[in-house]
Amino acid sequence: DIVMTQSPTSMSISVGDRVTMNCKASQNVGSNVDWYQQKTGQSPKLLIYKASNRYTGVPDRFTGSGSGTDFTFTISNMQAEDLAVYYCMQSNSYPYTFGAGTKLELK
Amino acid sequence: QVQLQQSGAELVKPGSSVKISCKASGYTFTSYDMHWIKQQPGNGLEWIGWIYPGNGNTKYNQKFNGKATLTADKSSSTAYMQLSSLTSEDSAVYFCARFFPDYGYNPYWYFDFWGPGTMVTVSS
Repeated sequence: DIVMTQSPTSMSISVGDRVTMNCKASQNVGSNVDWYQQKTGQSPKLLIYKASNRYTGVPDRFTGSGSGTDFTFTISNMQAEDLAVYYCMQSNSYPYTFGAGTKLELK
Repeated sequence: QVQLQQSGAELVKPGSSVKISCKASGYTFTSYDMHWIKQQPGNGLEWIGWIYPGNGNTKYNQKFNGKATLTADKSSSTAYMQLSSLTSEDSAVYFCARFFPDYGYNPYWYFDFWGPGTMVTVSS
């Protein structure tokens, strides 16, 4: 199985901060990586698909980049409503696998 | 509008089975794969498998072979997942999610709509 290693595990941030998190795949997954946001008590929501494509209606402060084994997700201007856990997921090969998540907390 | 309605929380005994449902509305149920994802308390996400309701084809994460069985009822636009021989390790929230295609230059699929989740608690 492909292991998706997310870092950091958590981040203490302030509103307005630029937030960057990473996801490293244990083998080449091309651009087949998505990023999901999960708020407490809710189901995950798609933000970025195919490494760098913003899903419909997602604010442009959310961006994704990368290919192969290294992927980056950035929130350019952190808002209070962005407090959540963010997961990367690879759909390059079965079984699809998720990273363990990066939790954003207020400083 | 697309909606995925999942059945309510279940409290079940070890060794038993449970069948949870995911009722789809707002789109053609038979045209899109439905995936299932597990989330244990405080933990991350684990992909279980998918079913294509159009013909009943399925694909499972090998880890869930023998544990999960995916079915679909076209007449009611409902996908089901049965979990068998339950243990405490099966206590989790289970999500259904639609796998949607982006037919661009290189077609790509992603989870665009998720159900709210069904909590399964295995306890004697």
